[in-house]
Amino acid sequence: EDQVTQSPEALRLQEGESSSLNCSYTVSGLRGLFWYRQDPGKGPEFLFTLYSAGEEKEKERLKATLTKKESFLHITAPKPEDSATYLCAVRPLSYNQGGKLIFGQGTELSVKP
Amino acid sequence: DADVTQTPRNRITKTGKRIMLECSQTKGHDRMYWYRQDPGLGLRLIYYSFDVKDINKGEISDGYSVSRQAQAKFSLSLESAIPNQTALYFCATSEPGHTEAFFGQGTRLTVV
Repeated sequence: EDQVTQSPEALRLQEGESSSLNCSYTVSGLRGLFWYRQDPGKGPEFLFTLYSAGEEKEKERLKATLTKKESFLHITAPKPEDSATYLCAVRPLSYNQGGKLIFGQGTELSVKP
Repeated sequence: DADVTQTPRNRITKTGKRIMLECSQTKGHDRMYWYRQDPGLGLRLIYYSFDVKDINKGEISDGYSVSRQAQAKFSLSLESAIPNQTALYFCATSEPGHTEAFFGQGTRLTVV
């Protein structure tokens, strides 16, 4: 069964304290792995797409990496405005026509000044 | 204006009532989706449509129906709402291929 698990469920950091969020996945084959940011009361906002093991993407203080079994979202020197829930999703090869995503439960990040 | 617009943003309805959630998009995408978000369960796919004539069930379609009125409009209906359908509902769009999905702001539905 295709599955996505994120850890930790919640993470509290001090401003400037770097850390990583984990997304483990079990799929028959991977078309793509996606990271989203979700602020309270809002829809998920796209951050990154990763397609193959070894690939890395960066945006400001965020860096996403991918292996054959998991992805990490590294947050370097976070600021309070980075506080949000971060969602990981995969698009398995078994979804023949693409489009559908399987989401993890999310990691709620809180960055205190 | 948002690229993916959902109405209403909030709704409280009674058990047994029929309710429709609407989604419209200006991104020009053929593919549209309805997801449901519950605490601790993440986002789960209810229905998806690859074009006006192609509608498919997702993993949790029971109790829901959809209508694709046009390329830009995709509505979700709860024929007879029940309390465990209380959740945050999101509409999303995407292009064909391995591309990301774009989400609306969500509809918070409460069934009492």
